[in-house]
Amino acid sequence: NIVMTQSPKSMSISVGDRVTMNCKASQNVYNNIAWYQQKPGQSPKLLIYYASNRYNGVPDRFTGSGYGTDFTLTINSVQAEDAAFYYCQRIYNSPRTFGGGTKLELK
Amino acid sequence: EVQLVESGGGLVQPGSSLKLSCVASGFTFSSYNMHWIRQAPKKGLEWIALIYYDSSNKYYADSVKGRFTISRDNSKNTLYLEMNSLRSEDTAMYYCAKEYRYSEGYWGQGVMVTVSS
Repeated sequence: NIVMTQSPKSMSISVGDRVTMNCKASQNVYNNIAWYQQKPGQSPKLLIYYASNRYNGVPDRFTGSGYGTDFTLTINSVQAEDAAFYYCQRIYNSPRTFGGGTKLELK
Repeated sequence: EVQLVESGGGLVQPGSSLKLSCVASGFTFSSYNMHWIRQAPKKGLEWIALIYYDSSNKYYADSVKGRFTISRDNSKNTLYLEMNSLRSEDTAMYYCAKEYRYSEGYWGQGVMVTVSS
């Protein structure tokens, strides 16, 4: 089965900074990646599908990129409300494996 | 407005069974693939099962294959997860999710399952 590895595990960022987090697939998954945001005590929310497509209502400061095995989620000008866990997921084929997550904290 | 409401969780003993339900509203349930995902306390997300819109295909994570069964009743707009031979490592919040472009487009609020003696 394909393994999804996210890095870093956590990061501490100031409001207004640009942040980049990574997701690496153990095999080629083409563009079949989604990104989710989960705030404390809440259900996850879809941010990005097919590696780079923003879901309905997602602010344009969130950008997904990558193809094959290496993917990136970038948040431009981080806001206080962006403090959360972020997960990537292999989609389209099963099992729909999630990465271990990246915790984004605000300084 | 899309709504997914899970129920059926609780505290059960190891080796026992439990059946979760997820009632859907606000969209044409019978047109969408549906998923179950779980999250152990203080841990990450684990995808566990998928059922096609017409129940023609079902897929499972290795960790639950042979013990869990996903099903749906489109006449009742309801998704199910039957869980047998429960183990302590099955303790988690269980979410149902509506598929969108092969992603988990919308999630319910989750239901807690605790397996402990």
